[in-house]
Amino acid sequence: KAGVTQTPRYLIKTRGQQVTLSCSPISGHRSVSWYQQTPGQGLQFLFEYFSETQRNKGNFPGRFSGRQFSNSRSEMNVSTLELGDSALYLCASSLGTGQETQYFGPGTRLLVL
Amino acid sequence: GENVEQHPSTLSVQEGDSAVIKCTYSDSASNYFPWYKQELGKGPQLIIDIRSNVGEKKDQRIAVTLNKTAKHFSLHITETQPEDSAVYFCAAIQGGAQKLVFGQGTRLTINP
Repeated sequence: KAGVTQTPRYLIKTRGQQVTLSCSPISGHRSVSWYQQTPGQGLQFLFEYFSETQRNKGNFPGRFSGRQFSNSRSEMNVSTLELGDSALYLCASSLGTGQETQYFGPGTRLLVL
Repeated sequence: GENVEQHPSTLSVQEGDSAVIKCTYSDSASNYFPWYKQELGKGPQLIIDIRSNVGEKKDQRIAVTLNKTAKHFSLHITETQPEDSAVYFCAAIQGGAQKLVFGQGTRLTINP
């Protein structure tokens, strides 16, 4: 079974721009969660989508948003980028029916200049 | 909300020795505790997990113990090998939510 894939793997943007990251979950998984990883704050939960609906949300500003499509693929958008948004953005997929293992993708490394 | 504390932040052991990483959590409602290993340039990979109705779980050289009363859980790696060098994260999940709350990570170095 193919793992979780994320595109692009690397991205460089400037302050004020917006960015869209994509995540394709493992086949059959309906839950996609997004996490931000930085050296200072560690791994922090952004939000989770299940069946095209946001089911859980972390403590991030409204500039961070996401969506999920009918094939369970998910996108994450960050608008009005700030220098502090530079991070590794990870998505994880799971069946979504309970406390199952979350499988992570390789991440998208975003650098904001 | 849940808070997970992880110690130590760095750990260096000789090849063949054992390594122990400890985590504490704050919310007694948390009932699922996975451990992830992250290598350079990769996403976290699950290595073992434990649920609150179990006190210990082993998988070859890796074991996890859970003390619900004290709200702490630990990762034990025996007979360490160079390929065990990585950053390890503990995490906790509350109830049925998919929101993982992670510890700060432990950078484990295995010295040959």
